[in-house]
Amino acid sequence: SQQGEEDPQALSIQEGENATMNCSYKTSINNLQWYRQNSGRGLVHLILIRSNEREKHSGRLRVTLDTSKKSSSLLITASRAADTASYFCATDGGSNYKLTFGKGTLLTVNP
Amino acid sequence: EADIYQTPRYLVIGTGKKITLECSQTMGHDKMYWYQQDPGMELHLIHYSYGVNSTEKGDLSSESTVSRIRTEHFPLTLESARPSHTSQYLCASGAGTGRHTEAFFGQGTRLTVV
Repeated sequence: SQQGEEDPQALSIQEGENATMNCSYKTSINNLQWYRQNSGRGLVHLILIRSNEREKHSGRLRVTLDTSKKSSSLLITASRAADTASYFCATDGGSNYKLTFGKGTLLTVNP
Repeated sequence: EADIYQTPRYLVIGTGKKITLECSQTMGHDKMYWYQQDPGMELHLIHYSYGVNSTEKGDLSSESTVSRIRTEHFPLTLESARPSHTSQYLCASGAGTGRHTEAFFGQGTRLTVV
């Protein structure tokens, strides 16, 4: 079964607004990652947050992690039309090798 | 830019045919992965490897097999393709030390079995 579950499944916002996506997972983790996918192509790594970290920033991205609730959120600030894509969280399930993904959130940013 | 390549990008084949999807990476990564992606976006891990001569099945039962004879090469084979195998197949390799692996993805192979 999939480790991560993103919420919402789809999100539509206007350019300039902030977008927040959530991810819940089931087992222990070493880290949680967020990826982006454009139009069914390969995924691109955005950010990794370790299990002992609570918040991490990268440019317009902010990721939080709450291991007690087994959840994470990805915030994209000041969104742009080019941010339109699918966003996935991924977890390792506490292993050193496996990497499993959730169902993804489809983000549409309208100009 | 990650150097991981999948061929072919698109493939249409008849039922019962044997096919091999190729995946190669030039980054020297030990970890490699195959995912099957549904039209509705969800990715399913079908195989992974943590080094030469090591392969493991993923979370989704698959009729495919993989091999890892060389670090850079991780082909996926379907012995007898069926319409239910129609999907997008994504290959990835993993970089990172210890317990923290960042995955680099190829562009995918879109397979249609008719």
